[in-house]
Amino acid sequence: AQSVTQLDSQVPVFEEAPVELRCNYSSSVSVYLFWYVQYPNQGLQLLLKYLSGSTLVESINGFEAEFNKSQTSFHLRKPSVHISDTAEYFCAAAGGTSYGKLTFGQGTILTVHP
Amino acid sequence: NAGVMQNPRHLVRRRGQEARLRCSPMKGHSHVYWYRQLPEEGLKFMVYLQKENIIDESGMPKERFSAEFPKEGPSILRIQQVVRGDSAAYFCASSPGIGQGARNYGYTFGSGTRLTVV
Repeated sequence: AQSVTQLDSQVPVFEEAPVELRCNYSSSVSVYLFWYVQYPNQGLQLLLKYLSGSTLVESINGFEAEFNKSQTSFHLRKPSVHISDTAEYFCAAAGGTSYGKLTFGQGTILTVHP
Repeated sequence: NAGVMQNPRHLVRRRGQEARLRCSPMKGHSHVYWYRQLPEEGLKFMVYLQKENIIDESGMPKERFSAEFPKEGPSILRIQQVVRGDSAAYFCASSPGIGQGARNYGYTFGSGTRLTVV
């Protein structure tokens, strides 16, 4: 069965500092990877996704993630965070025989301090 | 494009009552997925439905929970005889097609229904 592990439950950072949210997955077949962001009391918004092709994917608000097959990782990075980036971030995977079902990590709460 | 619509946003039920959660997928999407988010936990898959078909219900509790996606109307997640442990946020997502649709486009999530059992 597929599993997704987010290594940090909480990440506090100061504004304008760089950040990395770590995600590892386990799968023996092709996998599709996603990062979602959830603001308090809201639903999930797709941040970025890896389906195939270039291993570096970017979002419109400055986040990027790199698919690393050898390390089975899909870490999320941003070189300079803003207060408005404070939210919970979920890594998710779909693939293999699980059709469209997404398997989520436990989530990482990113808190940006002024 | 109204996106995925879930209602109600908040639902309070007394123990033993029934809870009905509704999800209208995005226009053009024929596949619906339900997820549950318990406090301090990530999202757990519950069920995957097509119109009039349950494709995968491996994440559904064996008792009291059921889901449907009729030919007309929204998808319904029903919880009978609710207990305090059912308190959670329930999210619905939709995708445009079997398997490949979700992989190609990603899921679109609704804003969720927050169920509180008192």
